Amino acid sequence: DAGVIQSPRHEVTEMGQEVTLRCKPISGHDYLFWYRQTMMRGLELLIYFNNNVPIDDSGMPEDRFSAKMPNASFSTLKIQPSEPRDSAVYFCASRHMNTEAFFGQGTRLTVV
Amino acid sequence: GESVGLHLPTLSVQEGDNSIINCAYSNSASDYFIWYKQESGKGPQFIIDIRSNMDKRQGQRVTVLLNKTVKHLSLQIAATQPGDSAVYFCAENQAGTALIFGKGTTLSVSS
Repeated sequence: DAGVIQSPRHEVTEMGQEVTLRCKPISGHDYLFWYRQTMMRGLELLIYFNNNVPIDDSGMPEDRFSAKMPNASFSTLKIQPSEPRDSAVYFCASRHMNTEAFFGQGTRLTVV
Repeated sequence: GESVGLHLPTLSVQEGDNSIINCAYSNSASDYFIWYKQESGKGPQFIIDIRSNMDKRQGQRVTVLLNKTVKHLSLQIAATQPGDSAVYFCAENQAGTALIFGKGTTLSVSS
């Protein structure tokens, strides 16, 4: 398996624009997580899914953030409209039941 | 909510020394703990894990110790190498929930 695949690796956008981050989890994993990493706040959990169903989105900072998982092999995290304070590295991770989570390489988002 | 924290933000060691990275957790219901290593520009990478029914687990050059009484987790790296230089995170998990991460400890190994 190629591991968790995220795209794009880097995204630079202007404030107010819509940004969509994509994730393909490892086949067979039933949990998918979106994390955000910044120097100040470390790795923050934004939302996670179990069997494609959102379980806990309490970490999503504002209504500008939304996440979907239309099927077991794809998830998106959307920010609309984007703001400079959204600049961070966004990680997607997946796991099978109660085991370790495998992380993608991340998307470095810069909002100018 | 409860969170995992780290005792020391940075650790500098000489090549060949043993390294010990500490972590405190606060959720007594957590039953699964993991150490991750993150190199610059990459995602966190699994190192070793331990479940709450164990006190110690060993891997290749790494050992994780769990003290449930004081809610403390540690990662020991034997014969530290320059390639071990990275940020190390502990994470805690309660069954059926997400991994919650501490802030991380930067390990710097000089040769």
